[in-house]
Amino acid sequence: DQQVKQNSPSLSVQEGRISILNCDYTNSMFDYFLWYKKYPAEGPTFLISISSIKDKNEDGRFTVFLNKSAKHLSLHIVPSQPGDSAVYFCAAIPSGNTPLVFGKGTRLSVIA
Amino acid sequence: NAGVTQTPKFRVLKTGQSMTLLCAQDMNHEYMYWYRQDPGMGLRLIHYSVGEGTTAKGEVPDGYNVSRLKKQNFLLGLESAAPSQTSVYFCASSRGAGTAFQETQYFGPGTRLLVL
Repeated sequence: DQQVKQNSPSLSVQEGRISILNCDYTNSMFDYFLWYKKYPAEGPTFLISISSIKDKNEDGRFTVFLNKSAKHLSLHIVPSQPGDSAVYFCAAIPSGNTPLVFGKGTRLSVIA
Repeated sequence: NAGVTQTPKFRVLKTGQSMTLLCAQDMNHEYMYWYRQDPGMGLRLIHYSVGEGTTAKGEVPDGYNVSRLKKQNFLLGLESAAPSQTSVYFCASSRGAGTAFQETQYFGPGTRLLVL
């Protein structure tokens, strides 16, 4: 059973507009959440994280929002740029020494 | 710092052949991981290691073996390759566990494997 779900396989957004990528999770024991970005033919790279005790974390154009009651988080990119076109993975950290749990990813296309 | 490197970048195998993928990291990280990425499946954890000399199974360990003889290296072996193992393999490392800082994983560039 998937613990971290990204229900939208793809998303297209116009340059300059807001991109919103969504992620749902089932395990209320997750301590931290992370977003990774992946370009073709490259490994994923860490983008931004949020602790379960916060509801927002911002880093430049990227903001992650966490709604614990809904077990939902979202990544907002404002304004979107063509260089943001990539696959975005949501990941969660369980308590203890178990590894990250990744979602299946959402492919973002930013159209100029 | 090279970060995480993977060797080889691309390989073609015939069914039944064996091979070893090498992952090396120069960040003195304790934890290392092997993933495979297939279309529509995201990143699936094969095996991981929480320190030199330790290994543990991930989500899809069957058909693979691993070894962590040195802290900086993590080897992934395929003893008898099958077409179902055609995939892109990523290695990653992290400082440890418990916080986002410790658990942030740093990935290598990937190895593309084709099994005919």
